[in-house]
Amino acid sequence: DAGVTQSPTHLIKTRGQQVTLRCSPISGHKSVSWYQQVLGQGPQFIFQYYEKEERGRGNFPDRFSARQFPNYSSELNVNALLLGDSALYLCASSPGASYNEQFFGPGTRLTVL
Amino acid sequence: QKEVEQNSGPLSVPEGAIASLNCTYSDRGSQSFFWYRQYSGKSPELIMFIYSNGDKEDGRFTAQLNKASQYVSLLIRDSQPSDSATYLCAVNSVIKAAGNKLTFGGGTRVLVKP
Repeated sequence: DAGVTQSPTHLIKTRGQQVTLRCSPISGHKSVSWYQQVLGQGPQFIFQYYEKEERGRGNFPDRFSARQFPNYSSELNVNALLLGDSALYLCASSPGASYNEQFFGPGTRLTVL
Repeated sequence: QKEVEQNSGPLSVPEGAIASLNCTYSDRGSQSFFWYRQYSGKSPELIMFIYSNGDKEDGRFTAQLNKASQYVSLLIRDSQPSDSATYLCAVNSVIKAAGNKLTFGGGTRVLVKP
């Protein structure tokens, strides 16, 4: 079975632009979470979605938004990009909202110039 | 105080030896604990999880949990050069609307020397 997939793999943007990152969970998994990992640090929680509803949001500004589609895939949008948004964006998949184990996709490396 | 703390390392271990990694957490209500391995430039890979006090073994890996001391550890036996990576400790917590999130430590870099 395919694991979590994310696109694109790499992305270069300039300050002020907007970006959309995409994620498809493991088949049968209904929950998708997004994390940001800055170089040298552990991942930080951004959002969790389950059954198209937001189940949680981390300490990130409103420039960050997300949604989940009926097929359980998800998009993360970041507006008005800042240099500090440069990071590895990770999508994690789990069977349900309260299911503890989360499996990560390969990530999208975003560079903001 | 950080929610989840790990020594950043690097932890240098001779090939064949035991690598011992430690993690402490601040939320006494935490119930689920995870170890992820992350190779440079790659995403985290789940290698162990533990929910109950005591030891849990899986192959060359043993996770140990002591909720009273708010401490979780990972032992890697017979360390191999391919074990060289950053090991992330993660603690699960329940969030609103019955969701859950992982809170990660900063990771411990392990170097296994042949």
